[in-house]
Amino acid sequence: GAGVSQTPSNKVTEKGKYVELRCDPISGHTALYWYRQSLGQGPEFLIYFQGTGAADDSGLPNDRFFAVRPEGSVSTLKIQRTERGDSAVYLCASSHLYTGELFFGEGSRLTVL
Amino acid sequence: GQQVMQIPQYQHVQEGEDFTTYCNSSTTLSNIQWYKQRPGGHPVFLIQLVKSGEVKKQKRLTFQFGEAKKNSSLHITATQTTDVGTYFCAGPATGNQFYFGTGTSLTVIP
Repeated sequence: GAGVSQTPSNKVTEKGKYVELRCDPISGHTALYWYRQSLGQGPEFLIYFQGTGAADDSGLPNDRFFAVRPEGSVSTLKIQRTERGDSAVYLCASSHLYTGELFFGEGSRLTVL
Repeated sequence: GQQVMQIPQYQHVQEGEDFTTYCNSSTTLSNIQWYKQRPGGHPVFLIQLVKSGEVKKQKRLTFQFGEAKKNSSLHITATQTTDVGTYFCAGPATGNQFYFGTGTSLTVIP
C-alpha cells in the first residue's frame, strides 16, 4: 500500500503476556519511529531506526520493550510481561532520510487487562 | 531531557473566530514541525519550519518560528468546523528523533 501499515489495529491481552506489534513503513523510507500515545497526551517517543539499526532507543521505558528492524523495512515492537500501564495506542511513523516529515500509521491499540 | 510544552491545552472557539496555539521548547531547535490529529485519527504532518524568524502560510493557517528557535506558534484565521482536532508541535533532539509537544485540542462551535 501507499501508506504506513500497522497490525494488529487492536490487541487485547492479559497482564503478563507477550505482545508483538508490526509496522510496515512506506517503501523507500529509511527512518522508522515508534511512539506511544495515551488518551489526551501527545505521542511519546520510544525508538528510532535508521536503516536496520536502532539509532536511538532512549525512549523505551524499560527492558520489557524491544524493537527490531532486521531488513531495514518492516519493524516489530515487542513487549514482554505486559502490564496494565502499557495500555495505549502504539504509533509507527516513517520518513525519507532527507525530508524529516513523519508519515504515521493508524496505530495499534493495546489493551492490557 | 528535552521538553516541548504547548499552551493552551484546550481551546473552544465559535466558528469564525481566530485560534492560536503556542509551542515552547526548553532547548534550541534545529527545526520544528506541526501536526494535526483529528479525533480518533493519527497525526498528519502540516509543515516544517527551519529558519530563525520564519513565517509560513497555508491558506488560513500561519506558522511562525521564533528568533531564538525555541518557540513557535500556529494561528488559524476564521476557524471552521473542519479545523477541529489536536495540534502538536514536534522538535528534534540530538538526532532525527522528534519529541512531540503536549498538544492543543481545538473545539469549534458551529
